[in-house]
Amino acid sequence: KNEVEQSPQNLTAQEGEFITINCSYSVGISALHWLQQHPGGGIVSLFMLSSGKKKHGRLIATINIQEKHSSLHITASHPRDSAVYICAVGADSGYALNFGKGTSLLVTP
Amino acid sequence: DAGVIQSPRHEVTEMGQEVTLRCKPISGHDYLFWYRQTMMRGLELLIYFNNNVPIDDSGMPEDRFSAKMPNASFSTLKIQPSEPRDSAVYFCASSLLGVGEQYFGPGTRLTVT
Repeated sequence: KNEVEQSPQNLTAQEGEFITINCSYSVGISALHWLQQHPGGGIVSLFMLSSGKKKHGRLIATINIQEKHSSLHITASHPRDSAVYICAVGADSGYALNFGKGTSLLVTP
Repeated sequence: DAGVIQSPRHEVTEMGQEVTLRCKPISGHDYLFWYRQTMMRGLELLIYFNNNVPIDDSGMPEDRFSAKMPNASFSTLKIQPSEPRDSAVYFCASSLLGVGEQYFGPGTRLTVT
């Protein structure tokens, strides 16, 4: 099973700060997903990537396949970014996802 | 499209009762996934289907759990008999491609007393 580690587990930031959440995994993957879960529970897919970098608005996701590491960056953070961010990896040999434990982000005004 | 639809949104039942959770994937999506989320274990894959056929059920915890997909627009996850340790939020997700972006339903919060 692919072990997925996220850091930090909890993060508090002031509005406007640049935020980085890290994800590392143990074996080769087909793709890596970043998910967002707001209080109240809904899960939204932010990014799916297998190489390089993707950007959507203030969110940027990068992946380094050789180092088995991905980062999610939030620029100019806002209180509405407060949520749990979950990293998930898809196995090389199938479509099952293994999930990290999540990073709980709180952005204060 | 309305997105992935799950019902019920909340279910409270007594230990030993049968529980059936329902999911309608996004039209045209060939893959359907059932996940369970608990505080202790986070999100875990239970089972996934491709074109209505179960492909990987290695995450199904035990024989009390069963899942079916009788057609492309409907899937059920059944727990019989239910136990307090089954209390969790159960999510259904669908995707167009197996390695593609997954779209999650709102989840069913199950409480077994």
